[in-house]
Amino acid sequence: DAGITQSPRHKVTETGTPVTLRCHQTENHRYMYWYRQDPGHGLRLIHYSYGVKDTDKGEVSDGYSVSRSKTEDFLLTLESATSSQTSVYFCAISDSRRGGTQYFGPGTRLLVL
Amino acid sequence: GQQVMQIPQYQHVQEGEDFTTYCNSSTTLSNIQWYKQRPGGHPVFLIQLVKSGEVKKQKRLTFQFGEAKKNSSLHITATQTTDVGTYFCAGPGMQGSNYKLTFGKGTLLTVNP
Repeated sequence: DAGITQSPRHKVTETGTPVTLRCHQTENHRYMYWYRQDPGHGLRLIHYSYGVKDTDKGEVSDGYSVSRSKTEDFLLTLESATSSQTSVYFCAISDSRRGGTQYFGPGTRLLVL
Repeated sequence: GQQVMQIPQYQHVQEGEDFTTYCNSSTTLSNIQWYKQRPGGHPVFLIQLVKSGEVKKQKRLTFQFGEAKKNSSLHITATQTTDVGTYFCAGPGMQGSNYKLTFGKGTLLTVNP
């Protein structure tokens, strides 16, 4: 695997509470991504980062914010979690040496009650 | 925006039968990538195709990239229970950026032993 870890791996929270998910890489790759995966929808991009403090929105960014203060860490924050944000969240990094192929972390299962 | 369609959504086969999944993009792609996700796991990169008409093999898996670089297929010969999982295709996003992929919704393959 490409040296990507996610924490926590599982989380149960209540509607309205803030949640932060962490992605950590040891590969020093420039590009990092957050996806959510839901049945029938495949993988949908939430936000991505192309460098420290450089981020941009994906197709389903509403209700999410991100931060990247160090190359190795990419944080995803749900400011006020809703039940529609119950999902599996994957972090990924992109290997520029291999034409943009992406390597995924193990995922975080989030349940919002 | 760019769309990547995959068919079928589901496929159930008997062990030893062949399996094919198809991927179609609404736009011409600079490359196409295939990923496999085992049940409960994370997507894992399988292969990248770059050239028009390219065919690549990985043991029992054969990957093709169409002449127009808008479609691709993955064929598995003589499926085994280890082939179970969801197969995704993905192509670079608009503006030809290799660093932002659009994923198809995937084909879930189940194999009856």
